[in-house]
Amino acid sequence: GDSVTQMEGPVTLSEEAFLTINCTYTATGYPSLFWYVQYPGEGLQLLLKATKADDKGSNKGFEATYRKETTSFHLEKGSVQVSDSAVYFCALSAPLNYGGSQGNLIFGKGTKLSVKP
Amino acid sequence: SAVISQKPSRDICQRGTSLTIQCQVDSQVTMMFWYRQQPGQSLTLIATANQGSEATYESGFVIDKFPISRPNLTFSTLTVSNMSPEDSSIYLCSVEVGVLAGVSDTQYFGPGTRLTVL
Repeated sequence: GDSVTQMEGPVTLSEEAFLTINCTYTATGYPSLFWYVQYPGEGLQLLLKATKADDKGSNKGFEATYRKETTSFHLEKGSVQVSDSAVYFCALSAPLNYGGSQGNLIFGKGTKLSVKP
Repeated sequence: SAVISQKPSRDICQRGTSLTIQCQVDSQVTMMFWYRQQPGQSLTLIATANQGSEATYESGFVIDKFPISRPNLTFSTLTVSNMSPEDSSIYLCSVEVGVLAGVSDTQYFGPGTRLTVL
């Protein structure tokens, strides 16, 4: 079945460091891919998305490129801030015509990021 | 996008009781979903709620334990029945916006309800 694998955390970085959080997926067809962020004590917020191969999603300095050949959607940011400390979830949504259940987002286990001043 | 609110934001309940969680959206949406996030874990879909029809439950979740109502296009409730400590989780509702033919689009999440069962 469809699945998402994220790098294990926690990840601890100093402010202004470069961030990469790896995400790979297994799915039939061409899923949509998402990164969600959960700040402490809050719900999930959509960070960025990509719906087809080679698409690049970007938001708030974060980027991720949909790589069909490596089935990956790695999250990157060139210079992290203390305010980026949160849990990051990679997720996919399988297309309906490939047997996807509408609305069923498949989530990775999440990666906790802590940024120190 | 969509603005979603949930009530209550958190609660502490006794074993054997039930809690109803409300989810309100600021626009009409077809698809609403309920997820559970157990402590330190990722999210798992409980059920899909469409207005005017019975909710569709995922494997491992049943209507008797998690009854859902969807009376209109902006509102839904999830009840956690006969609670036990294992039900302690964050419960989140979400909506899907921008569904095209055959393609699921983006889901937006509410802030969640943090439930602790003693």
